[in-house]
Amino acid sequence: GEDVEQSLFLSVREGDSSVINCTYTDSSSTYLYWYKQEPGAGLQLLTYIFSNMDMKQDQRLTVLLNKKDKHLSLRIADTQTGDSAIYFCAETHTDKLIFGTGTRLQVFP
Amino acid sequence: EADIYQTPRYLVIGTGKKITLECSQTMGHDKMYWYQQDPGMELHLIHYSYGVNSTEKGDLSSESTVSRIRTEHFPLTLESARPSHTSQYLCASSETGTQYFGPGTRLLVL
Repeated sequence: GEDVEQSLFLSVREGDSSVINCTYTDSSSTYLYWYKQEPGAGLQLLTYIFSNMDMKQDQRLTVLLNKKDKHLSLRIADTQTGDSAIYFCAETHTDKLIFGTGTRLQVFP
Repeated sequence: EADIYQTPRYLVIGTGKKITLECSQTMGHDKMYWYQQDPGMELHLIHYSYGVNSTEKGDLSSESTVSRIRTEHFPLTLESARPSHTSQYLCASSETGTQYFGPGTRLLVL
């Protein structure tokens, strides 16, 4: 069945770049998403990319999509302590989203 | 962007009680979803709806039930709460595929 995988933890120093990786299985996904979840909160949509794009940039966020390898990444430039959160990637499957397990990003000074 | 609300935000309740978690959205989205989130972070889809009078069970079996009498409202009910129901419950809505989430309800059953 459909599966989305992410590494569980990432720790970076403040000011460095963070790269969160995701692999997915459904090659028919039309959109792929990145969501951010802060403690005690719901999921906040960060950005998304259409499946016929390779890259999308939005301020400090860069999304790269390698459709051949079914690999998605989120790069956060100049990572700040406020970026500490759990990041979920998700692929579309019919009218539903399939979420990864989430990557916990910890930013230390 | 959708405005989507969940109440209560936190609930502590005893075993055997009936509870209803409320979810409302003001954007007129047809599709709505309920997820259960483990303490270990993973999200599980437990119910979804494509519109009024439409409800479907999700990928994770749940003892909860849902209803969709109005477009904007998608409540989730547990007839008899148990400690195993302790979790965070997240509601989402969608029109085109992108899902927008509410703040969640954190439920603790003693």
